[in-house]
Amino acid sequence: KNQVEQSPQSLIILEGKNCTLQCNYTVSPFSNLRWYKQDTGRGPVSLTIMTFSENTKSNGRYTATLDADTKQSSLHITASQLSDSASYICVVSGGNNNDMRFGAGTRLTVKP
Amino acid sequence: DGGITQSPKYLFRKEGQNVTLSCEQNLNHDAMYWYRQDPGQGLRLIYYSQIVNDFQKGDIAEGYSVSREKKESFPLTVTSAQKNPTAFYLCASSRDNKNIQYFGAGTRLSVL
Repeated sequence: KNQVEQSPQSLIILEGKNCTLQCNYTVSPFSNLRWYKQDTGRGPVSLTIMTFSENTKSNGRYTATLDADTKQSSLHITASQLSDSASYICVVSGGNNNDMRFGAGTRLTVKP
Repeated sequence: DGGITQSPKYLFRKEGQNVTLSCEQNLNHDAMYWYRQDPGQGLRLIYYSQIVNDFQKGDIAEGYSVSREKKESFPLTVTSAQKNPTAFYLCASSRDNKNIQYFGAGTRLSVL
């Protein structure tokens, strides 16, 4: 069983709408949680990184939340744009990059 | 992808053949990583290197080999021992093993 579970697997929304992606993890010890955006056929690009003491962090229209007690994180996208169509990957780290555990990603499609 | 270059973008391997994927970075990063991405799964770590002339096995190193003779280069060889090599391969680098990673655009490897 993967230590990082993301839901939904895929999501289709209309341009301009908001959406929320979920990430549940069992990774321990925990140091930080990262959200990446991966366009098709490209490498992932970092959106946010959150440590144990941070509950929320924003990057433009992207807002990530973290509940370290329940081991859950969410990524909220506001006023979606066509360019938001991509896979969003949740990554949990125990402190070193070689300890990172990657979720399978949520495939988001934004339609006009 | 800025600063980290993978080549080729597409690669085909014949039965019993070794192939080498290139990864070059000009970010002056000490740490470099190779990941394999399969559909419906999270990225899995193949090998990583924290410094020149040193590298460590990741979670799925069998059938792969690497070298780190120069700081900017971390080539990955997929050997004939890797029986299921078809995947998307991603290279990443970071300032050290705790800092944020930057990914290349990936190489898609297929078997003829």
